[in-house]
Amino acid sequence: DAGITQSPRHKVTETGTPVTLRCHQTENHRYMYWYRQDPGHGLRLIHYSYGVKDTDKGEVSDGYSVSRSKTEDFLLTLESATSSQTSVYFCAIRMTETEAFFGQGTRLTVV
Amino acid sequence: DQQVKQNSPSLSVQEGRISILNCDYTNSMFDYFLWYKKYPAEGPTFLISISSIKDKNEDGRFTVFLNKSAKHLSLHIVPSQPGDSAVYFCAASRGNTPLVFGKGTRLSVIA
Repeated sequence: DAGITQSPRHKVTETGTPVTLRCHQTENHRYMYWYRQDPGHGLRLIHYSYGVKDTDKGEVSDGYSVSRSKTEDFLLTLESATSSQTSVYFCAIRMTETEAFFGQGTRLTVV
Repeated sequence: DQQVKQNSPSLSVQEGRISILNCDYTNSMFDYFLWYKKYPAEGPTFLISISSIKDKNEDGRFTVFLNKSAKHLSLHIVPSQPGDSAVYFCAASRGNTPLVFGKGTRLSVIA
């Protein structure tokens, strides 16, 4: 792999609890992304970052926040998890001018 | 409104035959188009891309065709192999903006 680690890989949490997913890169890339994958919806952008402390919202950002205090780490937080946030979450980094490299994903289940 | 559309959720092809996956887009400002392949429980992996100034790009068994006037691209896989069975995502980008993905097409190659 090109140096992306997502943690945890699997998580089950209860409705209403906060959850933080971590994406760690070893490649020192500037651009990082969080996507979620759901059946019938493909990959949808949640938030992205274009540098330390520089983040912006994506298509489905409601209920999520992000932080990037270091180049290598991009955190996704569900402030109060809901069942609609049960999904597979993918972190990605921009490898070239156009291509993004994805992590292995985090499967989150909210019960 | 969806900017990248994959209207076929699934496709079945016999081993050795050609697989053709289609993708339409609405934003004429996109300048790069990509195809990603995804196996279950793994992150999407980059397959092939094409710049908007070209109409064809070939890499081994994979060829992507771009028809800008129709805002349509297609991925051809020849010959199809059982290992090609996966979900294929079409994606597009404009400058440094994040990749926008379609909903994906599940390809099944039958031996």
